[in-house]
Amino acid sequence: DQQVKQNSPSLSVQEGRISILNCDYTNSMFDYFLWYKKYPAEGPTFLISISSIKDKNEDGRFTVFLNKSAKHLSLHIVPSQPGDSAVYFCAARENTDKLIFGTGTRLQVFP
Amino acid sequence: GAGVSQSPSNKVTEKGKDVELRCDPISGHTALYWYRQRLGQGLEFLIYFQGNSAPDKSGLPSDRFSAERTGESVSTLTIQRTQQEDSAVYLCASSWTGMAGANVLTFGAGSRLTVL
Repeated sequence: DQQVKQNSPSLSVQEGRISILNCDYTNSMFDYFLWYKKYPAEGPTFLISISSIKDKNEDGRFTVFLNKSAKHLSLHIVPSQPGDSAVYFCAARENTDKLIFGTGTRLQVFP
Repeated sequence: GAGVSQSPSNKVTEKGKDVELRCDPISGHTALYWYRQRLGQGLEFLIYFQGNSAPDKSGLPSDRFSAERTGESVSTLTIQRTQQEDSAVYLCASSWTGMAGANVLTFGAGSRLTVL
C-alpha cells in the first residue's frame, strides 16, 4: 500500500518557467512533509519541509504548499534552472522519525 | 566525518552469495536508516535504528535481510543467499533526533548491488 504517491514519473519545463511537482498521501497522521532532490549516482539531498499545521513554506525559489483536506502537497520551483534537473522525492513522517517516500518525479529543465 | 559514508560503492555478486554493506553515519546522529531503490522505483524503507531502542525492522523484505548497528555508529546491512531481485542501490541515512521539527535525513551516496 503506497501511502505517498507521486503520480507523474516525469516533467519537462523550459528554463525560467515554473515547475510544479505534485504529491498525494493517504495517511492523515503524517505530521511533516519533506522534499528531497536526487542527482544520478548521489544520495538524495534535503530541499524543503513543511509542518502539517502550515499550508505554505517558502525558501528562495522553492515553495511547498500543503492542502490537508485534499491530502495533497506540491513543490513549486520558480524560475526553473537547468541545474534543477533531477529526481524529486516527496516524503512524509508519522509521529516517529521514519520517512515514507514517494516514487519520485524526474524533472528536466531545458534551455 | 562530514557526511554519511557507505561502502562498497559498487558490488557485483553471484546469486546465492552473501553480501555485507557498511554505513558510517554522521558523528552525533542518533538515528540511522536503510532504504533501497530498485531500478525505476522509489525509495523503499528497510530498517531504522534509534539510539538504544529496538530497531524498526518493518521494511525488511525477507528473513534473508538483517542489519546491525554498533552503539550510535557503524551499521552493517547483510543480505544472505542473494537473489536477482535484490539488485538495487542501498541507501543509508542518518539524522539527529530529539529536536522539534522535521528530522532531516542526510543520505550517503549508496551502495549499488548487482546480483548476477
